[in-house]
Amino acid sequence: SAVISQKPSRDICQRGTSLTIQCQVDSQVTMMFWYRQQPGQSLTLIATANQGSEATYESGFVIDKFPISRPNLTFSTLTVSNMSPEDSSIYLCSSESLNTEAFFGQGTRLTVV
Amino acid sequence: AQSVTQPDIHITVSEGASLELRCNYSYGATPYLFWYVQSPGQGLQLLLKYFSGDTLVQGIKGFEAEFKRSQSSFNLRKPSVHWSDAAEYFCAVGALIQGAQKLVFGQGTRLTINP
Repeated sequence: SAVISQKPSRDICQRGTSLTIQCQVDSQVTMMFWYRQQPGQSLTLIATANQGSEATYESGFVIDKFPISRPNLTFSTLTVSNMSPEDSSIYLCSSESLNTEAFFGQGTRLTVV
Repeated sequence: AQSVTQPDIHITVSEGASLELRCNYSYGATPYLFWYVQSPGQGLQLLLKYFSGDTLVQGIKGFEAEFKRSQSSFNLRKPSVHWSDAAEYFCAVGALIQGAQKLVFGQGTRLTINP
């Protein structure tokens, strides 16, 4: 199994600032995924991050707002830029594959004030 | 398009009672199906998964789920719930979307346990 360490676990940020969330996997994985979970909602995929290439963003999410880095096979970051209260959510990273178990970080609870 | 529907947003059961959480999916090919549990303030933990073979799959914490292709369903069951089962439950389908492997989640069902 894989263990994903995500940090920070929570943060309260001022509007207009940016926050970078880090995910560290204890084994090499090809793909990592970033999700947003708005209050009381399900998980929505933001983007897929492959090592050595640009992240692929889902409809409604753009690189300028959510830049992602994937410098190696065990690490990824998601930045939430120019934050507004609407960005208050839980952000989760995962490594997953169709035919193996998907592993999730503990999530980052972001509150923008 | 791939989708997952969990018809029940919130379910309340008494401790010791049986539980069934419903999940219906829409996917053109043979699906890979998952149930995850999210406790308050926690990430997601996999309860069980179906890829192929026996349509009744056993998971952790005494949960099981049955894949019914004719009904496009993958309902989660537990014969006797414990107070610690109170959490949010998500059904998901693994799908190939535009060449990439992705999970599509249902809206979730919040389970409350009455003592």
